[in-house]
Amino acid sequence: EVQLVQSGAEVKKPGESLRISCKGSGYSFNNYWIGWVRQMPGKGLEWMGIMYPGDSDTRYSPSFQGQVTISADKSISTAYLQWSSLKASDTAMYYCARPVAVAGNIDYWGQGTLVTVSS
Amino acid sequence: QSALTQPASVSGSPGQSITISCTGTSSDVGGYNYVSWYQQHPGKAPKLMIYDVSNRPSGVSSRFSGSKSGNTASLTISGLQAEDEADYYCSSYTSSSTLPYVFGTGTKVTVL
Repeated sequence: EVQLVQSGAEVKKPGESLRISCKGSGYSFNNYWIGWVRQMPGKGLEWMGIMYPGDSDTRYSPSFQGQVTISADKSISTAYLQWSSLKASDTAMYYCARPVAVAGNIDYWGQGTLVTVSS
Repeated sequence: QSALTQPASVSGSPGQSITISCTGTSSDVGGYNYVSWYQQHPGKAPKLMIYDVSNRPSGVSSRFSGSKSGNTASLTISGLQAEDEADYYCSSYTSSSTLPYVFGTGTKVTVL
């Protein structure tokens, strides 16, 4: 059974750094794109970026380029989303997702990680 | 990378049919048969309902159907049920960005 299991909720202060994780199981992690989707409170879904763990090819939405870093550790089948300096506007639910190559439809989602940034 | 345009809300009575539109451009919806639809209940992760314009994943009710005409895709829910009340998002492949996927703005479906 394919599963994407994300790390738990985080509460941080503005300016702090953060890395959240998404562990894939039940499939060949290296051979599927994995990505991150943001959902701000009461708002819609936004693609942030995707990565192909097999060769580390990474694509970012222009809105998130330079704001976050997507990475992966193939040895433990885990993808990461990282911020170096959080802002209050980063408060959101973050989902990891496995998009089907080319078509992009997401057949598997993580359960979501709620990030709250507040002073 | 602009979001695809959906109506903010659609409503219907139990048993009725409703249709949600998703309008893009020739660089996304109109140019490729890679439109998908997601259902999201409050506090839950989205669920894939339709992929490649009109295909249903295993386990999704046949009351859900998808279609496309030009730059607009549509999701139709027939025989509306209380459990269909949720947010719905379309998504498409796009050639106009470094990230080749874009979501719609989302539609709140209310069952009256």
